[in-house]
Amino acid sequence: AQTVTQSQPEMSVQEAETVTLSCTYDTSESDYYLFWYKQPPSRQMILVIRQEAYKQQNATENRFSVNFQKAAKSFSLKISDSQLGDAAMYFCAYTGGGSNYKLTFGKGTLLTVNP
Amino acid sequence: GAGVSQSPRYKVAKRGQDVALRCDPISGHVSLFWYQQALGQGPEFLTYFQNEAQLDKSGLPSDRFFAERPEGSVSTLKIQRTQQEDSAVYLCASRGGVGMSNQPQHFGDGTRLSIL
Repeated sequence: AQTVTQSQPEMSVQEAETVTLSCTYDTSESDYYLFWYKQPPSRQMILVIRQEAYKQQNATENRFSVNFQKAAKSFSLKISDSQLGDAAMYFCAYTGGGSNYKLTFGKGTLLTVNP
Repeated sequence: GAGVSQSPRYKVAKRGQDVALRCDPISGHVSLFWYQQALGQGPEFLTYFQNEAQLDKSGLPSDRFFAERPEGSVSTLKIQRTQQEDSAVYLCASRGGVGMSNQPQHFGDGTRLSIL
């Protein structure tokens, strides 16, 4: 079974600084997708960034980028120029092959942004 | 609406009561997922529909949980004889694609269920 581990329950960053959230996963599949979702206190899960396992190039979305290390099964999220609105719970998630492509989530990292 | 809509937003029930949670997916989305999110945890998969067919219900914690999507659009998650351990946020997500796809799942705001 696939597992996703986020080893940092909480992180904090100063506004305008850079922070990196860690995620590791375990799978025997060769083809899969990885995601970072953001969940503000209002609860709606919002997609931040996604990475296809077959792509070597790390995904980037504006201030958000990932460091995808397939051999190490590591998928970290870097947030540059942190803003107060980035404060939220961040979840790393995995989906692989199979019949339904359900998401397997980590336990989350609570990010606080200090002004 | 443009997004996934869930109702009610909050539900309080006494132990032993039955509850029904509703999900309106994004129009045209074929795939629909239900997740359960306990306090301070990541969401956990409950069940999956492709159109009206329930293709995976392996995550349902007991036979008290039942989900349906009779016309391939709106879905209802029903919990019978609720227990305190059922207290959680129930999230619904929909996705346009089927099969191996990088199409992301779009989530609703969830229903926070509290069992007294």
